[in-house]
Amino acid sequence: DAKTTQPNSMESNEEEPVHLPCNHSTISGTDYIHWYRQLPSQGPEYVIHGLTSNVNNRMASLAIAEDRKSSTLILHRATLRDAAVYYCILAQGGSEKLVFGKGTKLTVNP
Amino acid sequence: DTGVSQDPRHKITKRGQNVTFRCDPISEHNRLYWYRQTLGQGPEFLTYFQNEAQLEKSRLLSDRFSAERPKGSFSTLEIQRTEQGDSAMYLCASSLAPSPAEGEQFFGPGTRLTVL
Repeated sequence: DAKTTQPNSMESNEEEPVHLPCNHSTISGTDYIHWYRQLPSQGPEYVIHGLTSNVNNRMASLAIAEDRKSSTLILHRATLRDAAVYYCILAQGGSEKLVFGKGTKLTVNP
Repeated sequence: DTGVSQDPRHKITKRGQNVTFRCDPISEHNRLYWYRQTLGQGPEFLTYFQNEAQLEKSRLLSDRFSAERPKGSFSTLEIQRTEQGDSAMYLCASSLAPSPAEGEQFFGPGTRLTVL
């Protein structure tokens, strides 16, 4: 299973942008980059995913490095509700499972 | 809200007892997944169904664990002769995407199991 590396924790202030990094130097050509988040006492929630190009949706933006060995999840304006553990996952094309690491615990200060 | 539901939300049992959890996926989703999450760790894949067929099982799924998805709708996960190491959050997810790589999985709230 392809592996990702994320910081254990990050802090942000409310209404400021947050950039959550993820390294995946062993990524293969068919791996999609997914981000999920898990709020306290809830199941994980899909945030965004991409293959090669940067992606935007209503929740966040995903910036993918040109060599695809790293990516950054961008929350444009953090709110207290964004406090969660964020998981960066490589989903292998043809595989039926998501392999979660320990993720980054994001704390948002008021 | 017609998201993924799981029942019960909490289960406390004594070591050696059998437990069964239920998952109701989003109605049109043909893919259903079970994961297990222990404290401080990310979820770990247990097993996967496409419609009623169980197509993949993790090595984590010992002989004491069995999962079913009759008629391709709801799913049950049974743990026989529970052990204290089975204490965890059991998460169910469903998806309609052609593969997990290409779309999102929708997770339920989980069933927290405590084995005394």
